[in-house]
Amino acid sequence: GAVVSQHPSRVICKSGTSVKIECRSLDFQATTMFWYRQFPKQSLMLMATSNEGSKATYEQGVEKDKFLINHASLTLSTLTVTSAHPEDSSFYICSAREAGVGGVGNTIYFGEGSWLTVV
Amino acid sequence: DAKTTQPTSMDCAEGRAANLPCNHSTISGNEYVYWYRQIHSQGPQYIIHGLKNNETNEMASLIITEDRKSSTLILPHATLRDTAVYYCIVRVANAGGTSYGKLTFGQGTILTVHP
Repeated sequence: GAVVSQHPSRVICKSGTSVKIECRSLDFQATTMFWYRQFPKQSLMLMATSNEGSKATYEQGVEKDKFLINHASLTLSTLTVTSAHPEDSSFYICSAREAGVGGVGNTIYFGEGSWLTVV
Repeated sequence: DAKTTQPTSMDCAEGRAANLPCNHSTISGNEYVYWYRQIHSQGPQYIIHGLKNNETNEMASLIITEDRKSSTLILPHATLRDTAVYYCIVRVANAGGTSYGKLTFGQGTILTVHP
């Protein structure tokens, strides 16, 4: 089946620094990718929708200047947490929508997630 | 997307069937029922989806009531590795538009399979 890979799987950064998380679709093209955040014992919360070649669409309450999203190719989207603070520590998950696939089959695939710890 | 209601947690003995219910009374005619699960510290995994007919694949079976207001995910022979949070999501399938694929996750059901 289709595979979505995230890197790094775990990262620790110092408060005030920036950290980049990559989301790659390994065997398919994805015109749209989605970024979620999940705090411990909570459900996934959608942060933004990333469309290849255009600006990301952010959900209400998500700071676009803090969570920079770039979707420069059909197989790669990146999330950069800028000026990270301890409250940004979370599990970040991406999903990718397979491009050009019709019908009613499943076309959305999730990455393994990335743990961010800000110290 | 229609809202879903699931029990907070369920237990199941290993080897027995696990039946996870989901209510989606406001589902629209063009919305499908999707099930995902999330094993601890991993990304969600697609399980199965359906519109109105019962569906079965290698992972599970999905039973949707005739009025489509509720459904049940069945894991026929649960194993310890099936311990996870199970999410029932209702959405339009493969529609156009850039927001297609945006999933709204509820709290899901924590399924614990015990020996």
